[in-house]
Amino acid sequence: GQSLEQPSEVTAVEGAIVQINCTYQTSGFYGLSWYQQHDGGAPTFLSYNALDGLEETGRFSSFLSRSDSYGYLLLQELQMKDSASYFCAVRPGFQKLVFGTGTRLLVSP
Amino acid sequence: DTAVSQTPKYLVTQMGNDKSIKCEQNLGHDTMYWYKQDSKKFLKIMFSYNNKELIINETVPNRFSPKSPDKAHLNLHINSLELGDSAVYFCASSQGRFNTEAFFGQGTRLTVV
Repeated sequence: GQSLEQPSEVTAVEGAIVQINCTYQTSGFYGLSWYQQHDGGAPTFLSYNALDGLEETGRFSSFLSRSDSYGYLLLQELQMKDSASYFCAVRPGFQKLVFGTGTRLLVSP
Repeated sequence: DTAVSQTPKYLVTQMGNDKSIKCEQNLGHDTMYWYKQDSKKFLKIMFSYNNKELIINETVPNRFSPKSPDKAHLNLHINSLELGDSAVYFCASSQGRFNTEAFFGQGTRLTVV
């Protein structure tokens, strides 16, 4: 099976930098993804790492270490609109995407 | 034009009833999924279909029966609804074996009373 652990909640102020960690256990691995979900909305894709290292997409970056079964999402220059839940997800095989427990990010002024 | 659309958006029904949720994607993707999100926001995969064929059934009670008439549609029928079925159900789609991005519908909030 698969299990992914994330902190349940993170708080930060506007303009700050925040890191959301994800540790996973999986029997197969084809990459780690990150999704954002605002209250009442649908999950939307943010980033994907198949190989070790850092991927940068604007204010968001995602890191993966396959040897440590660990990844993180880094959000820079936080804005109020970044307040949302963030999920890591692993692809243990074809046609399967398993989500982590989710981290609620609260950004205050 | 909505990429992945689900109907209805809200569904309130009594225990014991049977209900269906419809999902359509216009992205040309070959894989579609159903996810259940509970009150703690945990997103649990229920089913995965590839080109109309069932690939994954994550030990979902057989009261839940997905049907894929073609690769653009994946419907979910639920028999004998129970209180514990109350949740938000999301349909999603993706493309390719090593697909990196899944697109989600807006969700169906099911409330069983």
